[in-house]
Amino acid sequence: DAGVTQSPTHLIKTRGQQVTLRCSPKSGHDTVSWYQQALGQGPQFIFQYYEEEERQRGNFPDRFSGHQFPNYSSELNVNALLLGDSALYLCASSYGNTIYFGEGSWLTVV
Amino acid sequence: EDQVTQSPEALRLQEGESSSLNCSYTVSGLRGLFWYRQDPGKGPEFLFTLYSAGEEKEKERLKATLTKKESFLHITAPKPEDSATYLCAVQANTGGFKTIFGAGTRLFVKA
Repeated sequence: DAGVTQSPTHLIKTRGQQVTLRCSPKSGHDTVSWYQQALGQGPQFIFQYYEEEERQRGNFPDRFSGHQFPNYSSELNVNALLLGDSALYLCASSYGNTIYFGEGSWLTVV
Repeated sequence: EDQVTQSPEALRLQEGESSSLNCSYTVSGLRGLFWYRQDPGKGPEFLFTLYSAGEEKEKERLKATLTKKESFLHITAPKPEDSATYLCAVQANTGGFKTIFGAGTRLFVKA
C-alpha cells in the first residue's frame, strides 16, 4: 500500500518564478492538506482540499493556490516566488482526523 | 488563539536514560492531539492520536499521555535510533480542519 507520494523531491527556483508541486494521497484517503515547514520550525497549515474544493485556508497569501483532481491527487502552486518561500512543502492525506505525511518537496528560492 | 508549545527545544540523553517531552496546548475545545516523529530531511511519521484527558497510548519505548492542558511523550530506555525531532500537534473543535503544530523537540541519544 503506497503512502503519500510527492514530486519533485528537490527543486531550485529564481525569485519571481512560479512553481507547481504534486501529491498523490494514501490509498482510500479523500482529503489532502498542504503544509510549509521552515528549517527548525513545525509545519504550518497552508490549505486543505476535499471533494475538489478548498475547504479551509491558513494564513498564507493568494500567491499560494491549489487544486484537487477527481482521483484525489493535488497540486500546490506558488506564484511570484520570494526568498522566504524556501522551505520543505509537505502534503498530508487523511480519512478522518489523523493526517499522514509524504516525504516532502524541498524548495530553494535563489 | 489556538497554540502548541513544546519543551525542551533540544534534549540530549545517554542510551538507556529515560526522560519525557512536554507539549502544552491552548485550544478552544480539543478534537485530538497527535505525536509525530520526524527524521532529518523526511516527512513527519505518525505515532499516536489522543482524544481525551487520561488517555494513554504506547508503542515500543514510547508512551504518550494526555491531560486537559498538556501531553507528555515518555521515552523509556532510549536507543540511538530514537534520535529525531518529535512534533506535537492539535486539532481544535472550532479550528475547522487544520492541524496546529509545535516547533518540536530535537532528541539526541548517545550510545
